[in-house]
Amino acid sequence: GAVVSQHPSRVICKSGTSVKIECRSLDFQATTMFWYRQFPKQSLMLMATSNEGSKATYEQGVEKDKFLINHASLTLSTLTVTSAHPEDSSFYICSASFRGHALNTGELFFGEGSRLTVL
Amino acid sequence: GENVEQHPSTLSVQEGDSAVIKCTYSDSASNYFPWYKQELGKGPQLIIDIRSNVGEKKDQRIAVTLNKTAKHFSLHITETQPEDSAVYFCAAQKGGRRALTFGSGTRLQVQP
Repeated sequence: GAVVSQHPSRVICKSGTSVKIECRSLDFQATTMFWYRQFPKQSLMLMATSNEGSKATYEQGVEKDKFLINHASLTLSTLTVTSAHPEDSSFYICSASFRGHALNTGELFFGEGSRLTVL
Repeated sequence: GENVEQHPSTLSVQEGDSAVIKCTYSDSASNYFPWYKQELGKGPQLIIDIRSNVGEKKDQRIAVTLNKTAKHFSLHITETQPEDSAVYFCAAQKGGRRALTFGSGTRLQVQP
């Protein structure tokens, strides 16, 4: 099946620094990528939808200036957490929609997630 | 927007028994309902899905049923094994290439 790769899998940073997380579709072109955040023992909450070559669409309550999303190519989307604080510590997961899927079935492929810890 | 509710939040069964997890959704326009298994520290893995034109789907020990009228769908795992222990999430989607709305998750523990 299609593979979505995230990097890094774990990152620890100091408060006030910025962290970039990469999401790559390895064997398919992803026109749309979704970024989710998951706090411990909770569900996945959609943060934003990114479409290749256009600005990301953010969910209500998600600060676009704090969570910068770039989807510069059909295989790469990045999430940058700017001026990170301890409350940003979470598990960030990306997913991708396969371009040109014949059945347009909606199946999404998920990355392995990136655990961010802000000290 | 879409709202997905999932029950139970935790489920403990003996090895070999069956497990059932239930979800309801609010938006009648949703037409795709996947189930994901998430192990600790990992991303969700799709285990089975169903679309609105089908009432039931089975894949070996796993089956999903969908009742569009009642707007609920269920995951059935038969002959459970310890390796089935994980957190399971249901989700709903309204149209292809759109984001999924997830349920709150069910922590399944299969006792050997």
